[in-house]
Amino acid sequence: AQSVTQLDSQVPVFEEAPVELRCNYSSSVSVYLFWYVQYPNQGLQLLLKYLSGSTLVKGINGFEAEFNKSQTSFHLRKPSVHISDTAEYFCAVSDVDSSYKLIFGSGTRLLVRP
Amino acid sequence: NAGVTQTPKFQVLKTGQSMTLQCAQDMNHEYMSWYRQDPGMGLRLIHYSVGAGITDQGEVPNGYNVSRSTTEDFPLRLLSAAPSQTSVYFCASSYSPADRGPEAFFGQGTRLTVV
Repeated sequence: AQSVTQLDSQVPVFEEAPVELRCNYSSSVSVYLFWYVQYPNQGLQLLLKYLSGSTLVKGINGFEAEFNKSQTSFHLRKPSVHISDTAEYFCAVSDVDSSYKLIFGSGTRLLVRP
Repeated sequence: NAGVTQTPKFQVLKTGQSMTLQCAQDMNHEYMSWYRQDPGMGLRLIHYSVGAGITDQGEVPNGYNVSRSTTEDFPLRLLSAAPSQTSVYFCASSYSPADRGPEAFFGQGTRLTVV
């Protein structure tokens, strides 16, 4: 069975500072990895995904994530955050053979302060 | 382009009542799913469908039924609502093109309160 762990429930950061949101996963099979963002009272929007190949994945809004197979991690980073990045961020994993079934982490609330 | 449309957006039920949460997608996607979102638990898969006429259980299926008579629609039924089903429900529609890999599109959610 797969699982996803997001250790930080909330990450406060000042505007224009860098941020890293951590995600670790466990799986016995090959996986795809995803980061989704949820703005208040909205659905989830895909930020980026790792399928294969280059371990550094770039997404929308200046976010990027690095896949580390040995550490089973997929941390999300942004070099300089904006107030508008305040949202909840979810890491998710899916089995390569059933990619429509997503397993989500518990989420990390990013709070950007002026 | 509407994407994934969920209705209603809000609903209050009394314990024991039944209701259907509607989900429709206009992207001709094969895969559709229902998730519930609870504080501190992320989203958990309730039921999913890989095509019209085919459904299966996810992680937390108890108390919920689904059917998929058309590609576009995937309703979620609560047969006898319980306070433990108070949650925000999201419907997702997915596809997996060979050149871009899988991608899921989510509705705006239905906030359900069972009293």
